[in-house]
Amino acid sequence: GAVVSQHPSWVICKSGTSVKIECRSLDFQATTMFWYRQFPKQSLMLMATSNEGSKATYEQGVEKDKFLINHASLTLSTLTVTSAHPEDSSFYICSARDGNTEAFFGQGTRLTVV
Amino acid sequence: GEDVEQSLFLSVREGDSSVINCTYTDSSSTYLYWYKQEPGAGLQLLTYIFSNMDMKQDQRLTVLLNKKDKHLSLRIADTQTGDSAIYFCAELTDKLIFGTGTRLQVFP
Repeated sequence: GAVVSQHPSWVICKSGTSVKIECRSLDFQATTMFWYRQFPKQSLMLMATSNEGSKATYEQGVEKDKFLINHASLTLSTLTVTSAHPEDSSFYICSARDGNTEAFFGQGTRLTVV
Repeated sequence: GEDVEQSLFLSVREGDSSVINCTYTDSSSTYLYWYKQEPGAGLQLLTYIFSNMDMKQDQRLTVLLNKKDKHLSLRIADTQTGDSAIYFCAELTDKLIFGTGTRLQVFP
């Protein structure tokens, strides 16, 4: 299957700093990318959907100014957690689709804010 | 809005069949998926079914879809200890929405 590379796989940052997470589709063009957040022992909560070249659509309750999503090319989307706080600590997962059947997932980024 | 529900926990004996159920609310879904997540790991796509199908079989996995009742199930035949994980169903409309997850525990 197609490969989605998510980087970094884990990051620790200080409270108040910003962290950028990258999601790359390595062998296909991702027309749509989804960003999810997963708390321990819980399901994946969709944060936003981004289509290449257009603004991301955020789910209700997700602060667009705090979670900046950029999908500037067909192979790269980034999620920037701005002014991170300990409550932002979570597992973030991206998913990419090429418009066909399957959504391919990155391996996730575990963010810890101290 | 979309809502995808699953039972939280399932415990089965090794060698038995497991059936994990999922209900969804959005009738415009095109594809429905089953994913497996092991502790501390990412998601693994197990199988999917197109919304105009009733059943799909793939080795030990059987997916049944009742579109009228908006009910999806995953049957794992001859369940093994290595099948212990959390299983998520997901429906695709213009978004990919995940169910609440079912923790499958397989005991010897």
